[in-house]
Amino acid sequence: SQQGEEDPQALSIQEGENATMNCSYKTSINNLQWYRQNSGRGLVHLILIRSNEREKHSGRLRVTLDTSKKSSSLLITASRAADTASYFCGRREGSARQLTFGSGTQLTVLP
Amino acid sequence: DTGVSQNPRHKITKRGQNVTFRCDPISEHNRLYWYRQTLGQGPEFLTYFQNEAQLEKSRLLSDRFSAERPKGSFSTLEIQRTEQGDSAMYLCASSPSGLVDNEQFFGPGTRLTVL
Repeated sequence: SQQGEEDPQALSIQEGENATMNCSYKTSINNLQWYRQNSGRGLVHLILIRSNEREKHSGRLRVTLDTSKKSSSLLITASRAADTASYFCGRREGSARQLTFGSGTQLTVLP
Repeated sequence: DTGVSQNPRHKITKRGQNVTFRCDPISEHNRLYWYRQTLGQGPEFLTYFQNEAQLEKSRLLSDRFSAERPKGSFSTLEIQRTEQGDSAMYLCASSPSGLVDNEQFFGPGTRLTVL
């Protein structure tokens, strides 16, 4: 079964607005990786944040990590219609090499 | 394109048939992962290889599933006696090894439909 959740399950915003998605988890992690998935496609890697990091940026993306609250957030600034996709956080937990995913957030950006 | 590739992209089969999928990881990535994703859910881990060694298998990987990576490069995932519940997207990912955590890069997936 999948551990942790992305929140909200669905988010609809207007183009130009910011979108924030959250990811909570239950066990200690080594790193957390955010991915984007367009319908019917594979996952595109966005950002990796390690357990000793608190914030990372990449273009319009900002990821934060709070290990005390076991949560991470992905902020997309100045959203575009092309940002419409599902967003997943994958956690590398303990000594495992694989990632554990939640059910994702479906983001819709309206033009 | 030097990303992860998967073949075929789509497979439709009848219940009870065997199917085999192939994954070619990014060159020089010695870690390779298989995941399964059903509609509306995130990927679920199936199995992991480091070079040719299969180091971990999920309990999701029933005895009808087998994966190989014979030369430590491409990998195959075979499902025997397919069932309708096997219908899903099968995703492959690869990453380099090292002391530092590395990103896992995913392929486009193989969508399996079992009729």
